[in-house]
Amino acid sequence: TQLLEQSPQFLSIQEGENLTVYCNSSSVFSSLQWYRQEPGEGPVLLVTVVTGGEVKKLKRLTFQFGDARKDSSLHITAAQPGDTGLYLCAGAKGTSGTYKYIFGTGTRLKVLA
Amino acid sequence: GAGVSQSPRYKVAKRGQDVALRCDPISGHVSLFWYQQALGQGPEFLTYFQNEAQLDKSGLPSDRFFAERPEGSVSTLKIQRTQQEDSAVYLCASSPHSRSSYGYTFGSGTRLTVV
Repeated sequence: TQLLEQSPQFLSIQEGENLTVYCNSSSVFSSLQWYRQEPGEGPVLLVTVVTGGEVKKLKRLTFQFGDARKDSSLHITAAQPGDTGLYLCAGAKGTSGTYKYIFGTGTRLKVLA
Repeated sequence: GAGVSQSPRYKVAKRGQDVALRCDPISGHVSLFWYQQALGQGPEFLTYFQNEAQLDKSGLPSDRFFAERPEGSVSTLKIQRTQQEDSAVYLCASSPHSRSSYGYTFGSGTRLTVV
């Protein structure tokens, strides 16, 4: 059961364009993470957001956690072909002693040179 | 090791065969997770270990799936009497902490194909 819905599912853009990927849920998460996955590899952690309303920047990537901790967005400025990949959000469910991350449905991004 | 190591990278099994997938987490990592990822989908949670204790196995799809981590380091995911619907990539991840604010380090996965 996917508790986290990502949109868009697929995105193909030209190099230099900006884009935003959304991650939405009706559930509250104690923290939320974004990962990027390339073919044949496991997901690689990009960022963790913990506080509602938190904004984090990683070079050309800006991540925001919703005030109610139910949703998040990832904005990429001036996309480059190296940004191509599957972007996954994941929300933490459970107590501090035992937890798991629930992954979203994924957004497959292709940046054309 | 420097990262999470999974073996084998690829496994082809005949329907009904038993398989065992191995995960070597980063040394000293307390938490270990198994996920199943179908083609084009996000990973689905299977089970979670804290050291040798299996604290959550709610995601295991049937009693044909079994996981263990007897000494709190290496983990094995076993699938008995494999079915075609078991075909997927099985990902292992580890974390140095038991708190959810720390992220995972994933292995490259084992791609299981049941024919």
